[in-house]
Amino acid sequence: DGGITQSPKYLFRKEGQNVTLSCEQNLNHDAMYWYRQDPGQGLRLIYYSQIVNDFQKGDIAEGYSVSREKKESFPLTVTSAQKNPTAFYLCASSWLNTEAFFGQGTRLTVV
Amino acid sequence: AQKVTQAQTEISVVEKEDVTLDCVYETRDTTYYLFWYKQPPSGELVFLIRRNSFDEQNEISGRYSWNFQKSTSSFNFTITASQVVDSAVYFCALSERGWTSYDKVIFGPGTSLSVIP
Repeated sequence: DGGITQSPKYLFRKEGQNVTLSCEQNLNHDAMYWYRQDPGQGLRLIYYSQIVNDFQKGDIAEGYSVSREKKESFPLTVTSAQKNPTAFYLCASSWLNTEAFFGQGTRLTVV
Repeated sequence: AQKVTQAQTEISVVEKEDVTLDCVYETRDTTYYLFWYKQPPSGELVFLIRRNSFDEQNEISGRYSWNFQKSTSSFNFTITASQVVDSAVYFCALSERGWTSYDKVIFGPGTSLSVIP
């Protein structure tokens, strides 16, 4: 089945720890995106990538990092510099100028 | 500046009632696109519709219908004869400067719809 897979579904992070959220797609999409969702707020763009080995900062990139070494994969690292990381994280992919497909999300909680 | 407003934070309806979700947008562009997405409890966003700024015809898809009014900058979504499976968060979104990649899409805050059996 084609789609986007995010893992893990739930993730707990200790203060000062870096954690990496996985996003894999087998749709052969060029573009991939990471969004953050907080209660009562819309999705906010963290990073996006339109081709392999290239990515751009979104609106709230501080405290996050990404890589795009393969077309299928776009992992997001939440670093210790991110002061308020507890949120729901959504990954999406699309061909350029088409509708995006979204994964089922990762809920990150700081403990 | 672009903005998408969904003034209804939460709505509850009884099954089989009709419900309208409001969306008001702001943009200076003459060419833009509007979207609606559904986010069920499973978490992923499901695409429902995309409408460009030059097409003001209303659209109907089964129990779903959309009313686009440029004069009031609104793109409202109506579910007819609601069902429990319609319970979800619904997002309205706007893309600037015409059709482009999703880095240009602005999402509204969402409306949480609960359909009570």
